[in-house]
Amino acid sequence: EDQVTQSPEALRLQEGESSSLNCSYTVSGLRGLFWYRQDPGKGPEFLFTLYSAGEEKEKERLKATLTKKESFLHITAPKPEDSATYLCAARSNDYKLSFGAGTTVTVRA
Amino acid sequence: NAGVTQTPKFQVLKTGQSMTLQCAQDMNHEYMSWYRQDPGMGLRLIHYSVGAGITDQGEVPNGYNVSRSTTEDFPLRLLSAAPSQTSVYFCASSYSGQVIDEQYFGPGTRLTVT
Repeated sequence: EDQVTQSPEALRLQEGESSSLNCSYTVSGLRGLFWYRQDPGKGPEFLFTLYSAGEEKEKERLKATLTKKESFLHITAPKPEDSATYLCAARSNDYKLSFGAGTTVTVRA
Repeated sequence: NAGVTQTPKFQVLKTGQSMTLQCAQDMNHEYMSWYRQDPGMGLRLIHYSVGAGITDQGEVPNGYNVSRSTTEDFPLRLLSAAPSQTSVYFCASSYSGQVIDEQYFGPGTRLTVT
């Protein structure tokens, strides 16, 4: 059974304090690892897609990386506006998409 | 473009009532889907459609029906509401019909069944 696990569940950071979020996955033949950002009361917003181990993508203070078993979302020098829940999802070779429960990040000024 | 729109934003139902959650997109996307989001759980796929006239079941389809008569609209029907269907429902769309690329999500409908 496909499974995606995110850790930690919650992360509280001081502004400027860099950290990483983890997304561990077990899916049949990965066909894409997705990261989304979700603000309270809103729908998820697409951030990145990674397709193969070793791939990296960056957007502002966020960088996503991928290995054969997990993905990391690195937040460098976060600002309060980076506070959100970050979701990852893995797509298997039969194109099913499995979401993790998310990591809620709070950045204090 | 309005993107993906959902109505209503909030809804309270009594057990046994039926209702339709509306979803529309103006991006000419082939793929549309419905998810539910519950605390501590990932988004779970209810039903999806790879194009007008084509629908299929996802992970948790029981108690829900869908239809796709046009590319733009993908309504979700609750046949006989149950407290277990209390959740936040998200509609999403994606350009490709056969391969799920990054999805665009609507703002969600928060449903409470008493």
